[in-house]
Amino acid sequence: EPEVTQTPSHQVTQMGQEVILRCVPISNHLYFYWYRQILGQKVEFLVSFYNNEISEKSEIFDDQFSVERPDGSNFTLKIRSTKLEDSAMYFCASNAGGTDTQYFGPGTRLTVL
Amino acid sequence: AQSVTQPDIHITVSEGASLELRCNYSYGATPYLFWYVQSPGQGLQLLLKYFSGDTLVQGIKGFEAEFKRSQSSFNLRKPSVHWSDAAEYFCAVTTSGTYKYIFGTGTRLKVLA
Repeated sequence: EPEVTQTPSHQVTQMGQEVILRCVPISNHLYFYWYRQILGQKVEFLVSFYNNEISEKSEIFDDQFSVERPDGSNFTLKIRSTKLEDSAMYFCASNAGGTDTQYFGPGTRLTVL
Repeated sequence: AQSVTQPDIHITVSEGASLELRCNYSYGATPYLFWYVQSPGQGLQLLLKYFSGDTLVQGIKGFEAEFKRSQSSFNLRKPSVHWSDAAEYFCAVTTSGTYKYIFGTGTRLKVLA
C-alpha cells in the first residue's frame, strides 16, 4: 500500500539555524500538508499546498516557514531561523483533493537546542 | 470558533473489556469526521471516517464510531480491547471549503493484561 514517507526521522539543530524537512507524498495525490505536534499537545495544521501554491495556512505559519515542491516527488518544509519553540514532531500528509482522507507520514522529530 | 474536544486525556481498560472514547466537535458547517491512532514513535494511522450516510461507521482493527449530530459527537467504540490497542487516539474534523483538519488533544489508552 502506498504511503507517505518523511526524512529525517529525527533532526537536531541549533537555535537560529535553517532546517529543511522532507516528505515524499503518495504519488497520485495532488494536495500536500504540514502539521506539527508539540510534545504533549494536539496536532496543529500549518499549511496546505496545491498546484505549486499555498492554498491555506495557519497563524503559526509565519515568514520563518516556507514550503516547496522542488521536483515531482518531494515536498519540503523549511524553517529559516529555528527557535526553541519550533521543537516538535512535524507530520506531512497528502490526499487526492478536497475533503478526501489525508494520509500522514511517520513524522520528523525536530529538536532545537 | 471551530474546535474538537476529547474530554478524556487518559483511559485505562482491561484487555477484553469494551471501550468508548469520546469526541465532541464545534463546527458551523457539515463536518467530516475522522479517528486516527498513533502508536509510540509512529505516525497517524486512519481508523475510520464519516462523510455522510449511515451514522455508524466501521473501521479497521474492529473499531466503530457513531455520528450523532444532535449531540455533536463522534465517539469511538470497540467491543473487546486487545493489548495492541494501547496507543493515543485522535479525533479530527474538517469541512468543505477548507483543507485543514482540526484535531482534538488526544486520548491515551492503556490496556491492562
